[in-house]
Amino acid sequence: AQRVTQPEKLLSVFKGAPVELKCNYSYSGSPELFWYVQYSRQRLQLLLRHISRESIKGFTADLNKGETSFHLKKPFAQEEDSAMYYCALSGRIYNQGGKLIFGQGTELSVKP
Amino acid sequence: AAGVIQSPRHLIKEKRETATLKCYPIPRHDTVYWYQQGPGQDPQFLISFYEKMQSDKGSIPDRFSAQQFSDYHSELNMSSLELGDSALYFCASSERGRRASYEQYFGPGTRLTVT
Repeated sequence: AQRVTQPEKLLSVFKGAPVELKCNYSYSGSPELFWYVQYSRQRLQLLLRHISRESIKGFTADLNKGETSFHLKKPFAQEEDSAMYYCALSGRIYNQGGKLIFGQGTELSVKP
Repeated sequence: AAGVIQSPRHLIKEKRETATLKCYPIPRHDTVYWYQQGPGQDPQFLISFYEKMQSDKGSIPDRFSAQQFSDYHSELNMSSLELGDSALYFCASSERGRRASYEQYFGPGTRLTVT
């Protein structure tokens, strides 16, 4: 079964502390993994995707196929990072539309 | 840059009424996706369209139907509304003609409240 699991509903850290948002997936193929972010009262925005291997706003995420994980990390959290973060998976099957399967979301709260 | 547009942003309906949600994708995007996000829940895929044809179907009730028009905008029609249909409905679009990376751009959502 296709599934994305984010075990933490809420993660609270102090400014400047490292942050890691966990994401594990279950998929019987070759998935494409994403992190989406939703700031307060704003639309979902793509933060990272594993195939691009880039760092956005200081965040990085590495796909670990052995552990089926795609954890999001940032060495020094900032207050403006406070938001809801969703891990999502898409199957690389061209004719099946690439629907996203979302995790339950983790609310990150960065305190001053 | 132009983003995905959804209308209306807020909609209040009574039980058993009908509702129509509209989605205007980013120009040149050929694929539209609909998602439903209930209170405190993650977004759930409903249905998608590619080049005006249904390309995939998720947990969409039979009371709902959708289509994509020649200008690529899409409409989600919801009939016999139930209280449980109250949710935020997101539309997303992507340009599948390119590399097929399935990077989706989301609209602001339509918040439907059924009373």
